[in-house]
Amino acid sequence: NAGVTQTPKFQVLKTGQSMTLQCAQDMNHEYMSWYRQDPGMGLRLIHYSVGAGITDQGEVPNGYNVSRSTTEDFPLRLLSAAPSQTSVYFCASSSGQIETQYFGPGTRLLVL
Amino acid sequence: AQKVTQAQTEISVVEKEDVTLDCVYETRDTTYYLFWYKQPPSGELVFLIRRNSFDEQNEISGRYSWNFQKSTSSFNFTITASQVVDSAVYFCALSPSGTYKYIFGTGTRLKVLA
Repeated sequence: NAGVTQTPKFQVLKTGQSMTLQCAQDMNHEYMSWYRQDPGMGLRLIHYSVGAGITDQGEVPNGYNVSRSTTEDFPLRLLSAAPSQTSVYFCASSSGQIETQYFGPGTRLLVL
Repeated sequence: AQKVTQAQTEISVVEKEDVTLDCVYETRDTTYYLFWYKQPPSGELVFLIRRNSFDEQNEISGRYSWNFQKSTSSFNFTITASQVVDSAVYFCALSPSGTYKYIFGTGTRLKVLA
């Protein structure tokens, strides 16, 4: 199993550009989530999904959209990137709330 | 309000010393889950332990041990005889039951010096 994969590993965007961060898992996990990690802030939940077709907002959802059309994929979309979205983004999945969350390797995003 | 506080921003110890990482949480829920994760310099996040609010037994796994005390809302992590490979950022996290939301602390950077 590949576990949780994220692409790209690194991306530079200009302010106002859009992009999609990809996340996929091959463990048939129902629960998937997106976090951002900023220095001194820990990890903050952006959006999460408890199954295909079901998504909800986390702590810092503004500026991000998600959808979950399949169990395997949970892309994160930035519609109009801003410098404040410069961060490291982690995707995670688990088979349930109390189960272990498996994290992807992260995507480092720089918005100029 | 739900919150996780890791007051120790950075700790440095010499190899073979014992070190305790503190985690204090706030929640009004009676059922919740607590986690510890390790983030080594390579950047990935590694699960270490999960504890539910009804299980206050301390746990030991090799050189790692965890002390959960509901009375003080703390879930502290001790590394015995630290090693250089323990150098990492350690995160404590809280998930109230039924919410699917995880609240992470700001992390403690542990540096183990040879």
